[in-house]
Amino acid sequence: GQNIDQPTEMTATEGAIVQINCTYQTSGFNGLFWYQQHAGEAPTFLSYNVLDGLEEKGRFSSFLSRSKGYSYLLLKELQMKDSASYLCACMDSNYQLIWGAGTKLIIKP
Amino acid sequence: GAVVSQHPSWVICKSGTSVKIECRSLDFQATTMFWYRQFPKQSLMLMATSNEGSKATYEQGVEKDKFLINHASLTLSTLTVTSAHPEDSSFYICSAPGTGGEIFENEQFFGPGTRLTVL
Repeated sequence: GQNIDQPTEMTATEGAIVQINCTYQTSGFNGLFWYQQHAGEAPTFLSYNVLDGLEEKGRFSSFLSRSKGYSYLLLKELQMKDSASYLCACMDSNYQLIWGAGTKLIIKP
Repeated sequence: GAVVSQHPSWVICKSGTSVKIECRSLDFQATTMFWYRQFPKQSLMLMATSNEGSKATYEQGVEKDKFLINHASLTLSTLTVTSAHPEDSSFYICSAPGTGGEIFENEQFFGPGTRLTVL
């Protein structure tokens, strides 16, 4: 079956760095997405990885290892506004998104 | 970038009534749209794929007679929750895939979501 695993909740301190991990098992692979979702709002796109390696975009970076079925989202210089749920999603061979349950990130002053 | 809108953003209705949710692609055409449902503290669950000019494809366990989907044009898909019950209360989100002009061809563009509360 298809499965996406990520931690349920993480806590970090303002100004610090946090890494949110995601492991996946899907039927085929057409890329991995990270989305940010604030409570009561729709997800917003953060990153897309389809090749192995690190993609950096400002304070956010995303890493992919296809051989390990593993990705992480790295958030630097954390701000209070980064408190949100972070969703990992894989696109399978049918170009359908398979979603993880999301990681709730709590930022403390 | 591509914009997807949803209407209404928030609705409260009595049990047994029907509710229609609209999803529009504002600046691009979408032959396919996806409808998701999200319960509190849970992930997005794909309900169905809406196809312009043909029947929607429903995921296993989703009642097609209860959740009616109509993809009337290349910019509009509607989801009607018929005979709504309290257990249908949820956050409903639509999305449309990119058309290839985006940085990431497979990117999904999400509507802002509709919060449905059935009393």
